[in-house]
Amino acid sequence: DTEVTQTPKHLVMGMTNKKSLKCEQHMGHRAMYWYKQKAKKPPELMFVYSYEKLSINESVPSRFSPECPNSSLLNLHLHALQPEDSALYLCASSQLTTGDTEAFFGQGTRLTVV
Amino acid sequence: GENVEQHPSTLSVQEGDSAVIKCTYSDSASNYFPWYKQELGKRPQLIIDIRSNVGEKKDQRIAVTLNKTAKHFSLHITETQPEDSAVYFCAASKGGSGYSTLTFGKGTMLLVSP
Repeated sequence: DTEVTQTPKHLVMGMTNKKSLKCEQHMGHRAMYWYKQKAKKPPELMFVYSYEKLSINESVPSRFSPECPNSSLLNLHLHALQPEDSALYLCASSQLTTGDTEAFFGQGTRLTVV
Repeated sequence: GENVEQHPSTLSVQEGDSAVIKCTYSDSASNYFPWYKQELGKRPQLIIDIRSNVGEKKDQRIAVTLNKTAKHFSLHITETQPEDSAVYFCAASKGGSGYSTLTFGKGTMLLVSP
């Protein structure tokens, strides 16, 4: 199984809503990532988890709150988002080695904030 | 932090021609250079990668070269086919902590005409 599964595929939320994005992998990867991708732009790193602990937060606003409840799951909790937060949110995972291993991406959640 | 420049931003070729995409990076500590293909509405998928101890790698019609001294790496696609049409991203990562934090170039939209 080389899949990273994200749910939901699409999400529309209002600026006062609270929602969560979910990501799951069963490849035994102990590094998991959230990336944000705006239209016609490259993915940008948001968060890195290693061994279920937050290792990197790329100065992401607190309205985005990541969580890694176990080695297979990664969540991104959303609250009070702005329309400019509309984007494709990609989850990825990789082995924890020397940092030069493939990152496997999920199909993404396309988020629209209205 | 790392900065990755990618050129060209768009590339149009005829089926059967070769395509070359070039990237430069700024951080000499980067040691892993993957290339991702992203079709419209889909996830980025790794097509080839190269590590800093290797100068060239080939996989069928795809090859990547790395010049560490000049800090640039290139993707070569031979005998292009219409199904090669997509956005291609180069990326760089310096690992070190075990996880792979990718910095992407801005992408190249490749269009292969039949």
